[in-house]
Amino acid sequence: DAGVTQSPTHLIKTRGQQVTLRCSPKSGHDTVSWYQQALGQGPQFIFQYYEEEERQRGNFPDRFSGHQFPNYSSELNVNALLLGDSALYLCASSLSLSPKYFGPGTRLTVT
Amino acid sequence: GENVEQHPSTLSVQEGDSAVIKCTYSDSASNYFPWYKQELGKGPQLIIDIRSNVGEKKDQRIAVTLNKTAKHFSLHITETQPEDSAVYFCAASSHFGAALIFGKGTTLSVSS
Repeated sequence: DAGVTQSPTHLIKTRGQQVTLRCSPKSGHDTVSWYQQALGQGPQFIFQYYEEEERQRGNFPDRFSGHQFPNYSSELNVNALLLGDSALYLCASSLSLSPKYFGPGTRLTVT
Repeated sequence: GENVEQHPSTLSVQEGDSAVIKCTYSDSASNYFPWYKQELGKGPQLIIDIRSNVGEKKDQRIAVTLNKTAKHFSLHITETQPEDSAVYFCAASSHFGAALIFGKGTTLSVSS
């Protein structure tokens, strides 16, 4: 049973550019959450998707947007990248009231 | 909103010793408290969790205790092994489906 998968593993972008990160949830899971983890910090909640809709959102600007597809996979989009957006982006999946399981993350570097 | 404080930030123990990591939370509505272990270059791995209707939960060498009155919960690892070395995060949420609010993490080093 494949766990949560994320792509790409690493990427480097320039300030002002846009980026799309992808996540496939654990088999059977229908809810996807995205977190940002800065170096040396705990993960911070960005938003959560369920039934293709954003169900909950953390304290992140509108530059951060997402999407969930009918197969429950999800994308995180970040526009107008800032140096401060450099971080590990984690996707977590769950089924309704089940615990969250995290993927390995995508390391984003903004130069 | 919820705030989770975690202590200590670093912890060094000898193999075979016990390790204890403590967290406090601010929102009395929180009722779900998971612990995650994160190894270098990997995503957080759920190691144990507890709900507010339970005071203690054990899984082999790992245990978690919860004091709702004091709003704190702790992770206990007994008979530590070098492979326990990692960063440990506590988290809190109002229920399974809600966003997790994480502490800043504890770097545990187990030396043999």
